[in-house]
Amino acid sequence: KAGVTQTPRYLIKTRGQQVTLSCSPISGHRSVSWYQQTPGQGLQFLFEYFSETQRNKGNFPGRFSGRQFSNSRSEMNVSTLELGDSALYLCASSLMGSEGETQYFGPGTRLLVL
Amino acid sequence: TQLLEQSPQFLSIQEGENLTVYCNSSSVFSSLQWYRQEPGEGPVLLVTVVTGGEVKKLKRLTFQFGDARKDSSLHITAAQPGDTGLYLCAGAIAGNNRKLIWGLGTSLAVNP
Repeated sequence: KAGVTQTPRYLIKTRGQQVTLSCSPISGHRSVSWYQQTPGQGLQFLFEYFSETQRNKGNFPGRFSGRQFSNSRSEMNVSTLELGDSALYLCASSLMGSEGETQYFGPGTRLLVL
Repeated sequence: TQLLEQSPQFLSIQEGENLTVYCNSSSVFSSLQWYRQEPGEGPVLLVTVVTGGEVKKLKRLTFQFGDARKDSSLHITAAQPGDTGLYLCAGAIAGNNRKLIWGLGTSLAVNP
């Protein structure tokens, strides 16, 4: 089975722009979670989608949004970028998203905001 | 609020040495996972522990879950350069909408 894929792998944007990141989960996985990873804060949970519905949400401002399509692929969007949004954005997929269930991570998209 | 404290934050050792990293919390977890993340990649699950006092072995890696399910340790015997990476622990709090709480990680460098 192919693993979780994320595109693009690297991205440079300037403050005020918006960005869309894409994630393709492992075939058959219906849960997709997004995380922001920075050296100082570690992995911070953004949101989880299951069957095209947002099931959980972390403590991020409304500038961060996401969606999931019928084929389980997911996108996340960040509007009005700020310097502090520079981070590695990770997507993880799992079958059901149940507590303790194994999450499979993609390689991430490294975003740099100038 | 950081609910999971990992220590040490950084560790640099020589090949063949043993090491232990720790994951501590004041919260009780229904399960706890350990991941390893290599540069340029996402975290990869190593093990999940669910029972207080549980010990799991994965080749040279030994994982232990505390009796009270608030802490965990990872011991590596005879470390090799291939063990280099960021070791992350993540705990699931029962009833907390399935969200995992993550530690900041221990960055391990094993020098040949």
